[in-house]
Amino acid sequence: QSVLTQPPSVSGAPGQRVTISCTGSSSNFGAGYDVHWYQHLPGAAPKLLIYGNTNRPSGVPDRFSGSKSDTSASLAITGLQAEDEADYYCQSYDRSLSGSVFGGGTKLTVL
Amino acid sequence: QVQLVESGGGVVQPGGSLRLSCAASGFTFSSFAMHWVRQAPGKGLEWVAFIRYDGSSKSYSDSVKGRFTISRDNSQNTLWLQMDSLRAEDAALYYCAKAHSSSWYWTADSWGQGTLVTVSS
Repeated sequence: QSVLTQPPSVSGAPGQRVTISCTGSSSNFGAGYDVHWYQHLPGAAPKLLIYGNTNRPSGVPDRFSGSKSDTSASLAITGLQAEDEADYYCQSYDRSLSGSVFGGGTKLTVL
Repeated sequence: QVQLVESGGGVVQPGGSLRLSCAASGFTFSSFAMHWVRQAPGKGLEWVAFIRYDGSSKSYSDSVKGRFTISRDNSQNTLWLQMDSLRAEDAALYYCAKAHSSSWYWTADSWGQGTLVTVSS
C-alpha cells in the first residue's frame, strides 16, 4: 500500500486529454510538500516530467502539466501520442516517514 | 551531459551483503544530493536512500533502515549503497539518481540505467 495513491491504469485515444490523480495526506501534500511526476518507459530510466507541482524541465513538451491542491495532485496530458504510453509516478516528501515517497504508479494506455 | 553508471549488482544469498556503486560524470557531483531508488520485478518505484551533497545528512526508507548504508566520495565522484542482511524482498533493479537542485533535492532529474540485485538461495 503506497503512501501516495494513484489509479492503476488510465487510457485515452490519440489526441485526447487524460489526467492521472495522486492522493496524499496531511503528512505530505497537506503539510505543504510539493509533488513531482516521472514517466517510466519499459527498459528505460525514469524521466522527470514535472517538479515543484507545476514546473517542466527543459525539453518536456507543454502537453504535460501538473497541479496540486491540498492533499491531492494531478498530471494532465493533452494531445495524447502513442509515445506517451508508459508508467507514470507521483512523488513527494513525507514528514512522518522523514523521506521520499512514490505513488504506486499508473499505466497509461494509448488506444 | 549527466551520466550515472551503476554497478555491483548480482546474485546473493539471503542474509548476504552487496555493495552497489554509482559513477557520476557530466556535472559537479559535490554540489548535488543523491538518491537510490529501486524497482522490484512487476512493482513500482520505491525510494531507498538519500544523501546530502556533502554527506552530512542521510535518510533511509523504513524497509532498509538499519541494513543499508548510503555513502559518497566527492573526490572520486562516486556514490555507494552498502546492503547487508539482504532479504528476498530486496531483489530489484537499483537506480542511482541525482537531485534536481539545492531547492528541489527530494526530486531526481537524472537517473542511471540501474543494476540488478537478485536475492536467492
